[in-house]
Amino acid sequence: DTGVSQDPRHKITKRGQNVTFRCDPISEHNRLYWYRQTLGQGPEFLTYFQNEAQLEKSRLLSDRFSAERPKGSFSTLEIQRTEQGDSAMYLCASSLLVGELFFGEGSRLTVL
Amino acid sequence: GENVEQHPSTLSVQEGDSAVIKCTYSDSASNYFPWYKQELGKGPQLIIDIRSNVGEKKDQRIAVTLNKTAKHFSLHITETQPEDSAVYFCAALNSLSGSARQLTFGSGTQLTVLP
Repeated sequence: DTGVSQDPRHKITKRGQNVTFRCDPISEHNRLYWYRQTLGQGPEFLTYFQNEAQLEKSRLLSDRFSAERPKGSFSTLEIQRTEQGDSAMYLCASSLLVGELFFGEGSRLTVL
Repeated sequence: GENVEQHPSTLSVQEGDSAVIKCTYSDSASNYFPWYKQELGKGPQLIIDIRSNVGEKKDQRIAVTLNKTAKHFSLHITETQPEDSAVYFCAALNSLSGSARQLTFGSGTQLTVLP
């Protein structure tokens, strides 16, 4: 399968714990995006990488959130000191052309 | 920033009928409008897109129309089938913007095709 891969698919954690999600984009795509989706809503932009450079961050990305793409390939999204409001689906997408995003299956986070 | 509104939030049609979902956008500079289909427990899947230099695009049973003057675009699904049941999202983007190159999504339409 050559699509966008995300891991883990599901994560249940207790409030205050740290969690990390990984995204492996389509191999030739140099653009990588993280979005967050809550129930009944469309995806909301979190951050954008072009190669290894993080070019944009949403105001939704508080200082508890950090994303990296160290070698311009896979990316990680870490949430520190999780809160119940962080419960959501975290979607990764990659693209070759601006706008034509291909999404992974998402990582669902539940904070108890 | 861009704001995208999508209607209706739910839509039920009989198998074989047509379904139409409408979106409006606020940023007149937006020039790329994709539609995504999301099935339960899965990520959104790009099904069709249109750029601002065309007014209509078709791909088999699905079509998208764009009215730049009115700043709205629509998804049309003909001869609906049960497997078309899913949540559909519209989105908009200004691909020439130097800063905000992210898609802004609508709130989604739950389409149910009744057999």
